[in-house]
Amino acid sequence: GESVGLHLPTLSVQEGDNSIINCAYSNSASDYFIWYKQESGKGPQFIIDIRSNMDKRQGQRVTVLLNKTVKHLSLQIAATQPGDSAVYFCAENGRYTGGGADGLTFGKGTHLIIQP
Amino acid sequence: KAGVTQTPRYLIKTRGQQVTLSCSPISGHRSVSWYQQTPGQGLQFLFEYFSETQRNKGNFPGRFSGRQFSNSRSEMNVSTLELGDSALYLCASSFSRTSGDTDTQYFGPGTRLTVL
Repeated sequence: GESVGLHLPTLSVQEGDNSIINCAYSNSASDYFIWYKQESGKGPQFIIDIRSNMDKRQGQRVTVLLNKTVKHLSLQIAATQPGDSAVYFCAENGRYTGGGADGLTFGKGTHLIIQP
Repeated sequence: KAGVTQTPRYLIKTRGQQVTLSCSPISGHRSVSWYQQTPGQGLQFLFEYFSETQRNKGNFPGRFSGRQFSNSRSEMNVSTLELGDSALYLCASSFSRTSGDTDTQYFGPGTRLTVL
C-alpha cells in the first residue's frame, strides 16, 4: 500500500561530519514533501520542504534532494552539531483530497545520534 | 509570533472515559490538523479543520472527533477511551491560503494522553 518509509532507523555520525538521511515514498500523486525534526518531549519542528517541481532545495546547513524517478527523498545536514541529535521524519501529502492542508503521511523516522 | 499551543500537556484517564484536547493555532492560520503519535504506528493523520468545517479525515474510528471555532481554535474529543488510545496527540496549523496548494504545517508540543 501507500507508505513513506525511511531506510535506517538509527544513524550515528561524528560531530562536524555531514549526515544524509534517506526516505522512500510510493505515492506518485504526492507533490509536496517535508522534513521534520523531533526532539524528545517536543512536537515535530519544520526543517525544510520541497515541491515536486524541484529537485533540490537548500536551507541553512540543510539540503533536501528529491528524485521523482525512483521516488526518493534525502536530507543532508552539513557539519552536524550536538543539537542536531533528534528523530527526523519525512512526510508527504497527496493521500487525501479536499485541498489546502491535506493530511500528511509520515515515515517511521530516523534517530540521528551525534558522537562527540 | 507565538507558536501552536496545546492544552493540557499531560492527561491520565481510565478506560471508558472521554477526553477533550485543545489547540490554539498560530495567529492568522486557518487550518488545524490533528495527528496521533505512538511508538508502534508512528505519526498518523486524524483530521483537518478549516473554517469550522472538517475538510479531511484519516482512518480512525468515530470515537475520535473534533471541531473548530470561529477563531480557528480547535478541540478534539475521544470518547469511550481504550488502552490503545494512549499516545501523543499533536496539533498542527497552517495558513492554507487556497485549496489545492499545500502550506507548511507547524506543530505544537502535543498532549500526552495515558489511558489506564
